Amino acid sequence: GAGVSQSPSNKVTEKGKDVELRCDPISGHTALYWYRQSLGQGLEFLIYFQGNSAPDKSGLPSDRFSAERTGGSVSTLTIQRTQQEDSAVYLCASSSGLAGGAETQYFGPGTRLLVL
Amino acid sequence: AQSVSQHNHHVILSEAASLELGCNYSYGGTVNLFWYVQYPGQHLQLLLKYFSGDPLVKGIKGFEAEFIKSKFSFNLRKPSVQWSDTAEYFCAVTSSSNTGKLIFGQGTTLQVKP
Repeated sequence: GAGVSQSPSNKVTEKGKDVELRCDPISGHTALYWYRQSLGQGLEFLIYFQGNSAPDKSGLPSDRFSAERTGGSVSTLTIQRTQQEDSAVYLCASSSGLAGGAETQYFGPGTRLLVL
Repeated sequence: AQSVSQHNHHVILSEAASLELGCNYSYGGTVNLFWYVQYPGQHLQLLLKYFSGDPLVKGIKGFEAEFIKSKFSFNLRKPSVQWSDTAEYFCAVTSSSNTGKLIFGQGTTLQVKP
């Protein structure tokens, strides 16, 4: 596709349930990032994948959060036992991964998660 | 730890007014600096970026920003704003030591009155 896509666009869940959020990066982009946008915390980095390297998980807020990237393309962010403070917009971005951090990251439309 | 500070949280201007949004970062090494914009109902998109060379960079829609290394600043400017510039603006930084992950400021909401 032409841009980064994410699904679902909106997700409402009950506290304690698990959720999976999906990201399809731009074709050919080797770098993929997850961020979270919330009212109290602004935009926060969560996790970063670059090719076949071990992911940088330094931004994950707790062990309830995990992510994987299969085949170097699609990524899934999983939140287990959701809490109300997990309510936020989860953004995915991808980039060429070729410029050592100077390349442009292209963002998807986000998944708006509401935990009741 | 790296951080980015945006001084103005909410700015209201009339059309044709000049705009300057402040951004300061804390990191002593080599950095790449970005301004992203989020228009109402749209996703984040790049406005401009600096990674080397001329410290005055020009972006889309008439925006520019100046990297002043001695002040750790990367302020965004536009000489004459339009109603369509109403949006949220985010300053961000990456560095060679942080794997390219963006560290964002808190954002500035710009409202332009027609």
